[in-house]
Amino acid sequence: TQLLEQSPQFLSIQEGENLTVYCNSSSVFSSLQWYRQEPGEGPVLLVTVVTGGEVKKLKRLTFQFGDARKDSSLHITAAQPGDTGLYLCAGTRQGGSEKLVFGKGTKLTVNP
Amino acid sequence: EPEVTQTPSHQVTQMGQEVILRCVPISNHLYFYWYRQILGQKVEFLVSFYNNEISEKSEIFDDQFSVERPDGSNFTLKIRSTKLEDSAMYFCASRDMYSNQPQHFGDGTRLSIL
Repeated sequence: TQLLEQSPQFLSIQEGENLTVYCNSSSVFSSLQWYRQEPGEGPVLLVTVVTGGEVKKLKRLTFQFGDARKDSSLHITAAQPGDTGLYLCAGTRQGGSEKLVFGKGTKLTVNP
Repeated sequence: EPEVTQTPSHQVTQMGQEVILRCVPISNHLYFYWYRQILGQKVEFLVSFYNNEISEKSEIFDDQFSVERPDGSNFTLKIRSTKLEDSAMYFCASRDMYSNQPQHFGDGTRLSIL
């Protein structure tokens, strides 16, 4: 059983399309991060969300933290080929340790 | 922008040998971490380190592993008597002292055990 379930696992879309990827759990998280990872490199932080219901925008990316702090979503508007990559959600569990628990990631491919 | 740096980028070692992976965390950060990622699998927590001692370790982090902060800038992971299954990407991360601050990752060391 995965503590953080990401879906879809793979997503291939055309340039200009919108997309949403999801990160779900049955556990409550005190904070949740979204990272992007390129092959052979480390995860690069995109955003941190800590408050239930929080919405953060980063240019064409919109991140939402669920009201119950058990889930999150990443929405990309008008995707571009440069958005291609592996998107990881990771969080620290409420009342737990500070270690990050990672999802398996969503591999996004944006075709020109 | 400050970043976490790791060396070497790739380490090839014979099974049974010892390896030391090095990390320079972001300078004002106080919490340090090691994670690993076996090829095709998710990133897994190994150990956290604060105030010169281990604050938490996973079941992966057995007696084969040790961490050290030998000076004010470096943070090292030592793996003794390496096994084939230790082959993975090893990531160092650090974060600021305030709660809910995110962890920032280095680019990792690819460890290949032959």
